[in-house]
Amino acid sequence: QKEVEQNSGPLSVPEGAIASLNCTYSDRGSQSFFWYRQYSGKSPELIMFIYSNGDKEDGRFTAQLNKASQYVSLLIRDSQPSDSATYLCAVNVGNQFYFGTGTSLTVIP
Amino acid sequence: GAVVSQHPSRVICKSGTSVKIECRSLDFQATTMFWYRQFPKQSLMLMATSNEGSKATYEQGVEKDKFLINHASLTLSTLTVTSAHPEDSSFYICSARDSPAGNYFGPGTRLLVL
Repeated sequence: QKEVEQNSGPLSVPEGAIASLNCTYSDRGSQSFFWYRQYSGKSPELIMFIYSNGDKEDGRFTAQLNKASQYVSLLIRDSQPSDSATYLCAVNVGNQFYFGTGTSLTVIP
Repeated sequence: GAVVSQHPSRVICKSGTSVKIECRSLDFQATTMFWYRQFPKQSLMLMATSNEGSKATYEQGVEKDKFLINHASLTLSTLTVTSAHPEDSSFYICSARDSPAGNYFGPGTRLLVL
């Protein structure tokens, strides 16, 4: 079983809608959780991280963590065409970072 | 803050040669650096974890004698691809960690082996 699992997509949403990206992880010892955005041909850039159960909001982005269900999600409100990218979920276990395979998001104008 | 650089950004080499890629944290000290490889349309694959002053920890299936990692200081880690072959052509990305919450990526190095 992979450490981190994501639906590969592609996920398409109309401009202005809410995009919901999901991620599950296998190690209950996971300490912190990250969402990265990667544009084609570029390296990932950090969107936000979360380590406590519940929601964390930053602008149009909200990360949600449920440690009991081993589930972390990212909501993007008022989606823009510039949000079209691959979104990577990452989990920190001890000194290791593990990435999911990423979900491709397309925001349709 | 939290800027990570990589050099070179792009390299083309002949099969059988060795290529060194540098990863630097410019404005912070990185206790840990990570090296990843990404093939087209695939996810990041962690190759190894590098801690300053100690041997790197390699992921299963990554040849430590082929991918030499040196983390000589808190701001510099190098990855040397020895005797590169066309199948080593990939996008190599490093990241540097300054805290439990901070893991910052470099811009990546595109390696093409002819």
